[in-house]
Amino acid sequence: KAGVTQTPRYLIKTRGQQVTLSCSPISGHRSVSWYQQTPGQGLQFLFEYFSETQRNKGNFPGRFSGRQFSNSRSEMNVSTLELGDSALYLCASSSGTARDTQYFGPGTRLTVL
Amino acid sequence: DAKTTQPPSMDCAEGRAANLPCNHSTISGNEYVYWYRQIHSQGPQYIIHGLKNNETNEMASLIITEDRKSSTLILPHATLRDTAVYYCIVSPPQGGSEKLVFGKGMKLTVNP
Repeated sequence: KAGVTQTPRYLIKTRGQQVTLSCSPISGHRSVSWYQQTPGQGLQFLFEYFSETQRNKGNFPGRFSGRQFSNSRSEMNVSTLELGDSALYLCASSSGTARDTQYFGPGTRLTVL
Repeated sequence: DAKTTQPPSMDCAEGRAANLPCNHSTISGNEYVYWYRQIHSQGPQYIIHGLKNNETNEMASLIITEDRKSSTLILPHATLRDTAVYYCIVSPPQGGSEKLVFGKGMKLTVNP
């Protein structure tokens, strides 16, 4: 079974631009969660989508948004990029059922100049 | 905030067992202990999880104390590829609200 895939793997943007990252979960998984990892703050939860609905949200500004499609693929969007948004963005998928675990993708490395 | 405490780093000789400790004194009755690891700049890799009984899989063993306030992840025969940051996470059973709260983790270095 194929794992979680994320595209693109690397991205360079400038301040003020917006960016969209994509995540394809493991086949059959309906939950997709997004995390941001920076050297200073570590791994932080952004939000989780289950069956196209946002089910949980972390403490990030509204510039960070996401959505999930009917095939469970998810996108994350960051608008008005700031230098501090430079990070590794990780998505994780799970079935969403009780006691299942989350499986992470390789991440997208975003650099904001 | 993370509900776990881990030492910042640990060294282990290749071929020896690596015992990685974790304290979670405020764990609630329905919370599981999860272990993930992250090899440099890759996505975290799930290792094992448990509630109160000891668990073993092909990667590792998880020993949870009877009072559930601490646990130990055991890698029975550490290899150089086990060098990574290991995260111990306490969380309700996944499947209701998928949110893992990561702490700083512990850097395990396996030496030749």
